[in-house]
Formats: sequence, structure tokens, C-alpha cells
Amino acid sequence: NAGVTQTPKFQVLKTGQSMTLQCAQDMNHNSMYWYRQDPGMGLRLIYYSASEGTTDKGEVPNGYNVSRLNKREFSLRLESAAPSQTSVYFCASSEAGTGVYYGYTFGSGTRLTVV
Amino acid sequence: AQKITQTQPGMFVQEKEAVTLDCTYDTSDPSYGLFWYKQPSSGEMIFLIYQGSYDQQNATEGRYSLNFQKARKSANLVISASQLGDSAMYFCAMSRGDGGFKTIFGAGTRLFVKA
Repeated sequence: NAGVTQTPKFQVLKTGQSMTLQCAQDMNHNSMYWYRQDPGMGLRLIYYSASEGTTDKGEVPNGYNVSRLNKREFSLRLESAAPSQTSVYFCASSEAGTGVYYGYTFGSGTRLTVV
Repeated sequence: AQKITQTQPGMFVQEKEAVTLDCTYDTSDPSYGLFWYKQPSSGEMIFLIYQGSYDQQNATEGRYSLNFQKARKSANLVISASQLGDSAMYFCAMSRGDGGFKTIFGAGTRLFVKA
């Protein structure tokens, strides 16, 4: 089925460990996004990629890095996980420049716990 | 700075009745988009409805309508004829007119539909 696929769905890390969250979309969208969702705070933008080859910081980029591997894939890396990064992470995509009109297509999320 | 406010943490509605979920926003941009997303207990984010800042008419999508009052900076979601499946978290969101790359979300309203 067409859409946005995130892996893994669940992950438990120890403080200081690193990991990469993977995201792939098959909708031929140019723009991709990483958000985190914390209770009572809605979703907050971590990084986004307006188009292949570009990435930009969002509202809460500290502690994260991203890679736009190709048009389909956009990964999020935690180099040294901290308990404050315990959250649900969502990847999303949209047509370039049309995120203001058509909304985003979201993946199913990754629930990350850092102990 | 842009801001989205949802003041109702939780709402109850009787099945088959209509319900209004409140959303106010703050922006100095002349061009912006307003969205509502639904997040069921399964966790995925589902795009429901969109309203552009220059749209003269309120947006409607099936049982969903967006009551857009630009002067009051409000974008309330109205769900008509509520169904048990409408029980979910609902997020109001706003993106800027310069491509919609930075969508911000409100904290959400949890809706409970009673049989």
C-alpha cells in the first residue's frame, strides 16, 4: 500500500546508545519531515527536508541528525540517546511547496524509550 | 511567532450529536493553512480537513466542517452526527504560506463519544 513506512515501531535504548530511525515513502513526495510527540505538547518538528539534497532544522533539533538518502528515504539519528528523547516519533511527507494546502501523510510512528 | 491553542483537553459527546472542537491561532503571516488531524488510539495521524487563509468559504469534508473566523483567528472543527469511531485525539495545525514546510500543532483535544 502506498504511504509512509517507519521502522522500527518500538525501541528501547540505554542512555548514551545510538540508533537510526528509518523512514521511506512511496508517494513520490519531495518533502519529508520528522516530528516527535510528547504528552500534552502535540507534535513538534525536529528536522525537515524540503527536497532531495536539502535538510533544515525545525523547532527541536538538538540531539538529532538527519539524512535525506534519496527522494524516498529520510532517516533520523540519535547519536547519544538521553531520557529526554523518550517520545513517539513520526515521519511525514508532502509534495514540495504544497504542505500548506494538502496536509501531510504520516507514518505509523516509532515509540522510543530511553532508560 | 506562530502559535496554535486548543483549550479543551477532553470533550464528551453523545452518539449522533454534533460537537465543536476549539482552535485558535496566532500568526502575522498573510498566507497560511489550517488543518485538523485525527489520531485514533492505534496511534496513526490522519489528515481530516484543510482551510486556506484566503478561502472565502468554510471547508467541509463529509461530516467534518471547519468554522473559520479569520478576524477572531479561530478554526474550530465541527463533527456532525458523531459516531463511536470518532473517539480519538484531534489536533489543530497551521502551516505558513511559504511552502508549508513548518507545520505547528496544538496540544490536542481528546474526544469521547458515548453510546
